Amino acid sequence: DAGVIQSPRHEVTEMGQEVTLRCKPISGHNSLFWYRQTMMRGLELLIYFNNNVPIDDSGMPEDRFSAKMPNASFSTLKIQPSEPRDSAVYFCASSPSGRREQFFGPGTRLTVL
Amino acid sequence: GQQVMQIPQYQHVQEGEDFTTYCNSSTTLSNIQWYKQRPGGHPVFLIQLVKSGEVKKQKRLTFQFGEAKKNSSLHITATQTTDVGTYFCAGPASGGSYIPTFGRGTSLIVHP
Repeated sequence: DAGVIQSPRHEVTEMGQEVTLRCKPISGHNSLFWYRQTMMRGLELLIYFNNNVPIDDSGMPEDRFSAKMPNASFSTLKIQPSEPRDSAVYFCASSPSGRREQFFGPGTRLTVL
Repeated sequence: GQQVMQIPQYQHVQEGEDFTTYCNSSTTLSNIQWYKQRPGGHPVFLIQLVKSGEVKKQKRLTFQFGEAKKNSSLHITATQTTDVGTYFCAGPASGGSYIPTFGRGTSLIVHP
């Protein structure tokens, strides 16, 4: 079975550009999480969806960040405009209903120049 | 929300030595999970503990949940180079929430 799929795996962009990260959760999982990982701040939860509905977006840094989940098999995290301090690895993770263990995707390494 | 603290931040060991990482919370946790992240990889779920005083083993790994459910530990016996990585604990952000709070992790470096 395929795990969580993320694309792109690597993204290099210039400051001010729009960046869109994509995630396909494991089929049948109804919870989806977006995380950001840096050396300085560790693993930070950005947003949590349950049944495609955003439940907690308190971790979204600022209005430049937005996330959507139009259906059960797809989610996006958008940064507009991007800044160098957004450089990090962004992970998407999914969980089955009623379970707490999370299955992480391979991540997207974002570099903003 | 709830926070979990992990110590140590880094641990260097010689291959064959034992390793332990600790996770502490100021409040009672309904459950705790452990993950492993290899260098350049993504976190991979290892185990979940839910009962006071619970002990679970996976080969050379032993996981414990404290009696007060405020702390947990992961112990690796006779480390191998394949154990290299960062070990994270995660507890619920509050109460029985499904939103997790991750510790900062303990990075294990094994010297052959």
